[in-house]
Amino acid sequence: EPEVTQTPSHQVTQMGQEVILRCVPISNHLYFYWYRQILGQKVEFLVSFYNNEISEKSEIFDDQFSVERPDGSNFTLKIRSTKLEDSAMYFCASRGRYYGYTFGSGTRLTVV
Amino acid sequence: ELKVEQNPLFLSMQEGKNYTIYCNYSTTSDRLYWYRQDPGKSLESLFVLLSNGAVKQEGRLMASLDTKARLSTLHITAAVHDLSATYFCAVDGSLIQGAQKLVFGQGTRLTINP
Repeated sequence: EPEVTQTPSHQVTQMGQEVILRCVPISNHLYFYWYRQILGQKVEFLVSFYNNEISEKSEIFDDQFSVERPDGSNFTLKIRSTKLEDSAMYFCASRGRYYGYTFGSGTRLTVV
Repeated sequence: ELKVEQNPLFLSMQEGKNYTIYCNYSTTSDRLYWYRQDPGKSLESLFVLLSNGAVKQEGRLMASLDTKARLSTLHITAAVHDLSATYFCAVDGSLIQGAQKLVFGQGTRLTINP
């Protein structure tokens, strides 16, 4: 069964540093998403991406965040200057034309 | 804005008992998902419910969807310890203008005691 692949599985970074989280969605999917989950809390929507542009973003997705699909396969989330409160599990997901979201295994980001 | 509410948020039960988790949502949608999450792990898809009256069962878990009431239930029958996890419902807003995404409930942390 096709999978969404995320790397790295765990990243530790110092406050103020930039991080890039990487995702390889399922190849024939059209819609791409980033979600985050602070430890013990709900899964929160960050951004959706379709047709090479952001289709929707949440209040969490401020100017420190950006997304790219640089080469038609990878889908990246960049945090320019990390804060302690950015520590969370970040999930990438993709969806085809119809129903069915597939989530990656997540990247645990720890900001120290 | 699409909102999804689960209850209860915490549930501690004994093995062998039955219980139901409820998921209410605020806007018409006929696509609802249930996920399981173990601590530190990703989201494991349990059920996808695609129409009013849909019922799906897998082992001791059964999910149903009532789109008119905007309610889904996840019923656990004769619980066993292995079912201890956090369960999330999520509503697909992809057919709703301005909500082209999956919106999650708060999660129900289920603990099953021997």
